[in-house]
Parts: sequence; structure tokens; C-alpha cells
Amino acid sequence: NAGVMQNPRHLVRRRGQEARLRCSPVKGHSHVYWYRQLPEEGLKFMVYLQKENIIDESGMPKERFSAEFPKEGPSILRIQQVVRGDSAAYFCASSKLGKAYDNYGYTFGSGTRLTVV
Amino acid sequence: GESVGLHLPTLSVQEGDNSIINCAYSNSASDYFIWYKQESGKGPQFIIDIRSNMDKRQGQRVTVLLNKTVKHLSLQIAATQPGDSAVYFCAEKKSGYNKLIFGAGTRLAVHP
Repeated sequence: NAGVMQNPRHLVRRRGQEARLRCSPVKGHSHVYWYRQLPEEGLKFMVYLQKENIIDESGMPKERFSAEFPKEGPSILRIQQVVRGDSAAYFCASSKLGKAYDNYGYTFGSGTRLTVV
Repeated sequence: GESVGLHLPTLSVQEGDNSIINCAYSNSASDYFIWYKQESGKGPQFIIDIRSNMDKRQGQRVTVLLNKTVKHLSLQIAATQPGDSAVYFCAEKKSGYNKLIFGAGTRLAVHP
């Protein structure tokens, strides 16, 4: 039973390019969460999605960032016109229910490390 | 001993000793707490969780203590092993919300 799959593991983009990060949740999980982590810091919540719906995007920057979780296929975090400050590790987590039971069902992927040059 | 490094505080322990990692959480409305372990280049790995209606929970070699009065959470690791070396994060969930709020993290260094 595969866990949360994120790809690519490493992504290098030049300033001004677009970055697309993909997250396939655990099979049967319908809730996806994206977090960003800067070096030597904790994870910061960005967005929470269910299939075809954005539930909470309170942590998303207002510009250049968008996320989707279509009916079919992985969740995508999209960063347009990347800048050096976007360099970070981006983690996706999924859960079966949006309820806090037994680890919340929260399972994290291994992350995508974005480097903007 | 415990020291504050350039970024993450570091707790250095001898193999076989017990480790205690502390966390102050921010929101009195938080109803659920989790400890995660993160190794270099990997995602957070669940260790143990506790709900706000409890003050102690034990797992295999780990114990989490919750003091709601002072909004303090601790993780105790018994008989610390080299494989326990990692960064440890506490996370809280506010009642009615699904997102997790992570603490700053503590690096645990286990020496033989």
C-alpha cells in the first residue's frame, strides 16, 4: 500500500519560470494538505483541499500560487513566475477523513525540494 | 545538554539515556497534538499523538505529556538510540480546523 507520492523529488527552476509539484495521496484518501518548509524551520500550512474543492487556503500567498485536486489525478501545487524566495521543501499530506482520530489519518510524502536559480 | 544553535535548538544525549524534548504551543483552543520525527531529506514521520482531554499517553519507548495549564507538550524517549537522531516537531490542531500548526523543532543528537 503506497504512501503519499510526491514528484519530482527535486526541481530546479530559473527565476520567472513556472513550477508544478504533484502529489498523489494514499489510496482512499480524499483530503490533501500542502505545507512549505524552509531550512531549519517547521512546516507552514499552505492549503487544504478535498476532491475538486479548496477548503482552506489561508496559508497560500495571494499571488502566483495556486492548488487543485481534480476528480481524477494528483493534486497539483503551481507556482508561477518563481522567485528565489520560493526555494523550499514542499510537503504534501493526505488523510481519509477531515477528523482528528488516530493520527488524524495524516500521512506525509517525502517532499519536493524546489530550488530557484 | 541542551543548547540553542544557529537555528534549531539541539539536544545532545548519550546512547541509552532518556531524552526529553519540550514544546510550547500557542493556542488554548487546540484539541489535538502530534509529535513528528523528521530525518534529513525525508518527510515528517508520525511518532505519537494525544488529545486535549488526556494528559499522558504512552507508546513504544515514547511518552507524550500534555500540560494545558501552561500550554506545554513534551516527548520522552526512553533508552535513546542512534536511530533516534533527527529533528522532532510538535504540531497542534485547533478545534474546528483541519490544518496543523508546527512548532520550530528540536534537533536530537545521540552520541555513542
